[in-house]
Amino acid sequence: GQNIDQPTEMTATEGAIVQINCTYQTSGFNGLFWYQQHAGEAPTFLSYNVLDGLEEKGRFSSFLSRSKGYSYLLLKELQMKDSASYLCAAMDSNYQLIWGAGTKLIIKP
Amino acid sequence: ETGVTQTPRHLVMGMTNKKSLKCEQHLGHNAMYWYKQSAKKPLELMFVYNFKEQTENNSVPSRFSPECPNSSHLFLHLHTLQPEDSALYLCASSQDEGTPTYEQYFGPGTRLTVT
Repeated sequence: GQNIDQPTEMTATEGAIVQINCTYQTSGFNGLFWYQQHAGEAPTFLSYNVLDGLEEKGRFSSFLSRSKGYSYLLLKELQMKDSASYLCAAMDSNYQLIWGAGTKLIIKP
Repeated sequence: ETGVTQTPRHLVMGMTNKKSLKCEQHLGHNAMYWYKQSAKKPLELMFVYNFKEQTENNSVPSRFSPECPNSSHLFLHLHTLQPEDSALYLCASSQDEGTPTYEQYFGPGTRLTVT
């Protein structure tokens, strides 16, 4: 079956760096998405990876290894506003998004 | 209005009621989606419309009935729901379905409680 695994919850300190991991198993693969969702709000797009390697976008970076079925989202210089859930989703061969349950990131001062 | 809007934001209904959720996108997109989001569970795709045609129905119970009159509007009609249907219902749109590089834009959701 198709499956996405990511940690349920993580805690980090303001100003630090945190890495949120995601492993996926899908029927075919057309890319890996990361979304951010603040409590009570809509998920918003953060990144898309389809080739192996690291994509950097400001304080956020996303990495993909297709051979390992693995991705991570790296957040640097953490700010309190980064407290949110981070959703990992892999696109399968039918272009359907398979979603993880999300990682709730708690930032402490 | 910009982006994706959803109304109502909150809805409480009894199991015998009939209600409808509305979604509108102002992005000129061709694909629209309904998702169910329950606490600590992955987003569940319910329905997909591409150019007003339904292309996905992920084994959703018939008590949920979608309607897409045009590419900008999407409805979810609800009737005889069960308490386990209580969840956040999210609408999303994208430029097209089945195009991996086009991300989905989400509305703020309707928080549904079935009593």
